[in-house]
Amino acid sequence: IAGITQAPTSQILAAGRRMTLRCTQDMRHNAMYWYRQDLGLGLRLIHYSNTAGTTGKGEVPDGYSVSRANTDDFPLTLASAVPSQTSVYFCASSLAGGYTDTQYFGPGTRLTVL
Amino acid sequence: AQSVAQPEDQVNVAEGNPLTVKCTYSVSGNPYLFWYVQYPNRGLQFLLKYITGDNLVKGSYGFEAEFNKSQTSFHLKKPSALVSDSALYFCAVRDMGSSNTGKLIFGQGTTLQVKP
Repeated sequence: IAGITQAPTSQILAAGRRMTLRCTQDMRHNAMYWYRQDLGLGLRLIHYSNTAGTTGKGEVPDGYSVSRANTDDFPLTLASAVPSQTSVYFCASSLAGGYTDTQYFGPGTRLTVL
Repeated sequence: AQSVAQPEDQVNVAEGNPLTVKCTYSVSGNPYLFWYVQYPNRGLQFLLKYITGDNLVKGSYGFEAEFNKSQTSFHLKKPSALVSDSALYFCAVRDMGSSNTGKLIFGQGTTLQVKP
């Protein structure tokens, strides 16, 4: 089934631990994104990648890093998790990084940092 | 600064009645506007978008949205609501800043409750 998969579905993590959220898409989209969703704030962009081999910072990048070694995968790493990173994380992709391109979202990862 | 506002936290409507979920925006230049729906414990699903052309945009599941440039609005509508339409709805506008991050600027979301 074409689309975006994310893993894990949910995770409880102790503060200070390292965590990588995985995202894979099979639509051959060039652009990929990571957002976090917090109650009352909508979704905010963490990092993005317009094409394999390139990444950039979004609105709330601190404490997060990404890599884009190939077209399909875009993992998000929390080097040392803090409670304020408790959130629902969504990966998204679009055909290219153009202004009119539709972004398609994965099912999300619910992360709790204690 | 570019922004999106959804003035209603929740909209309640009876099944079979028309529904409207409101969205206003503030951008520099031409707006590229999107609506997404989120069902409980699920990701966001794309409903429709406005890029240019006809002000009435038709999308998935019988939804449509009307772009109004003078009122800077992009309200989501459906002629006859279904109980299964109950969900969280997000309006978004594409960030047109100088650095093309691809960012969508989201409203805070509106919960739609359709009662039988």
